Amino acid sequence: QVQLVESGGGVVQPGTSLTLSCAASGFTFSNFGMHWVRQAPGKGLEWVAMVSYDGSHKYFADSVKGRFTISRDNSNNTLYLQMNSLRPEDTALYFCVKDRIIAEFEDWGQGTLVTVSS
Amino acid sequence: EIVMSQSPATLSVSPGERVTLSCRASQSVGTKLAWLQQKIGQSPRLLIYSASSRATGVPARFRATGSGTEFTLTISSLQSEDFAVYYCQQYNEWPPITFGQGTRLEIK
Repeated sequence: QVQLVESGGGVVQPGTSLTLSCAASGFTFSNFGMHWVRQAPGKGLEWVAMVSYDGSHKYFADSVKGRFTISRDNSNNTLYLQMNSLRPEDTALYFCVKDRIIAEFEDWGQGTLVTVSS
Repeated sequence: EIVMSQSPATLSVSPGERVTLSCRASQSVGTKLAWLQQKIGQSPRLLIYSASSRATGVPARFRATGSGTEFTLTISSLQSEDFAVYYCQQYNEWPPITFGQGTRLEIK
């Protein structure tokens, strides 16, 4: 079955960087687009970024554009989110999400918590 | 950006009842509309895609309709495991992919 396991979250100071990883298994990773979606504590869902199946296309929410980078390693079935210039408003549970078809969020990881605080 | 609005914010219902949740888009999304369910402490789960198609393993008591700007999710005969937060999500025009603010279904 599909497994998505996020890691890399933690407590960081504003202005610093963090890289999240998502290890995928149970499906042919290189065939599917992948997303990061976040959820601030007690709040709703916010789409963050998407990378196409082959890594050639990348899309970002305006709130993270220029600060976050999404990438993937299809040889190691891993998705990444490089987060720079972190702000307190980036504090959230970050989910790795697999497409069913583009932007239909079929499978979700359990999330990794990022806390940005001084 | 397409803004998704859900109503009501909270719905108190009894097990066994039928409930209808609403979702409205600020402009047409065709049928590029999904519904997700999130239980407390869990990741979201895809229930419905393409406005009315049930995802794998979703019980038939979940029925969704709509197109354009108006969508509904109806749950017939609520079970205890259905009490959760429900989000609608549009993917017709993106980025960004946008979600509604959610409807919380709670036990009366």
